[in-house]
Amino acid sequence: NAGVTQTPKFQVLKTGQSMTLQCAQDMNHNSMYWYRQDPGMGLRLIYYSASEGTTDKGEVPNGYNVSRLNKREFSLRLESAAPSQTSVYFCASSGSHYEQYFGPGTRLTVT
Amino acid sequence: DAKTTQPPSMDCAEGRAANLPCNHSTISGNEYVYWYRQIHSQGPQYIIHGLKNNETNEMASLIITEDRKSSTLILPHATLRDTAVYYCIVRDPQDYKLSFGAGTTVTVRA
Repeated sequence: NAGVTQTPKFQVLKTGQSMTLQCAQDMNHNSMYWYRQDPGMGLRLIYYSASEGTTDKGEVPNGYNVSRLNKREFSLRLESAAPSQTSVYFCASSGSHYEQYFGPGTRLTVT
Repeated sequence: DAKTTQPPSMDCAEGRAANLPCNHSTISGNEYVYWYRQIHSQGPQYIIHGLKNNETNEMASLIITEDRKSSTLILPHATLRDTAVYYCIVRDPQDYKLSFGAGTTVTVRA
């Protein structure tokens, strides 16, 4: 039981490049989330998916798109990366009591 | 508009119990208390949650006062690997947003 997995672990992009961050969970959870965490700051919700087939904006959705591919997978896409998107990105899924389980994170640098 | 207040830091001796306090005087009836921790450079880790009864799992115990205005997370036998930032979060389970405050930086010393 791997929990929540994320790929890649590290990524460096040039301004304007695009990329997709992948997330998968094997806990049969309905809800999944994408957060970003900037140095010394708390988590900020980018997008979430309450169930398969639905997605909703969080606090900081600008510059991002998401796809809930199936119940297991929830991807985050940066269409045109900007230096302000340099951050650590965490994916999470929530269990039956709405507790959230997080992946190990993707460390993204945009130059 | 912080819903919880935690001390910024605390030290604990390895092998001893660590008691982490949290004040949440404005908690409403449908809000739960959740605890998470984040070890440096890792993803946040769920620890425990409760509504009004005390709870225990393999990681910790959660003691909630009768008026629900404060709670204490207890790590029964702290180890060096418990060094982390601990977050107390008050939340309506239906609210998808998870707001992490500043938390308490716990340092376990040998």
